[in-house]
Amino acid sequence: KNEVEQSPQNLTAQEGEFITINCSYSVGISALHWLQQHPGGGIVSLFMLSSGKKKHGRLIATINIQEKHSSLHITASHPRDSAVYICAVPLGESYQLIWGAGTKLIIKP
Amino acid sequence: EAGVTQFPSHSVIEKGQTVTLRCDPISGHDNLYWYRRVMGKEIKFLLHFVKESKQDESGMPNNRFLAERTGGTYSTLKVQPAELEDSGVYFCASSQGYSRTQYFGPGTRLTVL
Repeated sequence: KNEVEQSPQNLTAQEGEFITINCSYSVGISALHWLQQHPGGGIVSLFMLSSGKKKHGRLIATINIQEKHSSLHITASHPRDSAVYICAVPLGESYQLIWGAGTKLIIKP
Repeated sequence: EAGVTQFPSHSVIEKGQTVTLRCDPISGHDNLYWYRRVMGKEIKFLLHFVKESKQDESGMPNNRFLAERTGGTYSTLKVQPAELEDSGVYFCASSQGYSRTQYFGPGTRLTVL
């Protein structure tokens, strides 16, 4: 069992739908990262959060440290949001990241 | 400001050959990380440099992989000799000081035939 589990693995939705991607982890963490990998392959860091909620544009990330769970939400989804969304957590106090398998999101027009 | 750059973007080599990947971090970033994603698997950590020193190389798969960061600027990752299972995408990232926000390069897709 991976230390970082994401669900769903794949998600296809219509433009405008509200999207939720979940991440559960089994290790103690100081912060959790959400990243986006576009079809071209490059990775972009979206959020790093250690408590509560963060919002950037149409993206919202929440984390519940007690339940070891985080969610990434996308409001008013758009085809350009199509990408792989990955959560990652640091291994202990190190800077090494443990990665989830990613959620492949496709938004249809 | 230029982001993290990687070269080449794609490399195709035969089993047994040597390949060297390069990563140029964001200027001033002391921390440099290498990760890789092999087919169908999660992205895995390879190693972490702080300036020119290897802070953590626990993710390096075997001694066919050699990473260097002479002078604490750009880094190279050499695979010698390459094996089929080394095929994948190799990512580099950098961060500044004690910040945990990592900035990623576009990756190098390595194909070993």
